[in-house]
Amino acid sequence: KNEVEQSPQNLTAQEGEFITINCSYSVGISALHWLQQHPGGGIVSLFMLSSGKKKHGRLIATINIQEKHSSLHITASHPRDSAVYICAVSPGNTPLVFGKGTRLSVIA
Amino acid sequence: GAVVSQHPSRVICKSGTSVKIECRSLDFQATTMFWYRQFPKKSLMLMATSNEGSKATYEQGVEKDKFLINHASLTLSTLTVTSAHPEDSSFYICSAYDWAGGYNEQFFGPGTRLTVL
Repeated sequence: KNEVEQSPQNLTAQEGEFITINCSYSVGISALHWLQQHPGGGIVSLFMLSSGKKKHGRLIATINIQEKHSSLHITASHPRDSAVYICAVSPGNTPLVFGKGTRLSVIA
Repeated sequence: GAVVSQHPSRVICKSGTSVKIECRSLDFQATTMFWYRQFPKKSLMLMATSNEGSKATYEQGVEKDKFLINHASLTLSTLTVTSAHPEDSSFYICSAYDWAGGYNEQFFGPGTRLTVL
């Protein structure tokens, strides 16, 4: 069983829809990261959080440490949001443990 | 935010040759860098942890003599794929961590796509 589980694996949405991607983890962590990987492969760090909620533009990330769960929300989705979204956890000063990613396609 | 660069972004080489990939932290000192490998439609897999001034720590199953890592300065780590073979074709990504500067966030390079013919 993976230490980091993401759902759904694939998601297709219409432009403008509200999108939620979920991440559950089984290990103790110091931080959780949400990453975005575009088709070209480059990775962008969207959020790093250890508690509560963070917002950046149309993106919102929340984490519940007790439940070992995090969600990434995209409001007013746009085709340019199409990418793979990866949840990764940091068990302290060690390398990240990655989820398998959620492939999002936003259709105009 | 902090920036990590990789060079080259894409390389095609013949089987048996060696390829060097550079990972640089552009605006901060990276005491620790990580090298990842990603196969098509697969998750990132950690290859090794590179600490400035010391030997890299390799993950199980990663051949240290094949994937040579050097972290000679606080802003540069290199990964050399020696005697590359077609099965080494992959997407290689580095990330940098800076504890000394107060960051506890990893910053990722844009990746290097290696194709071995």
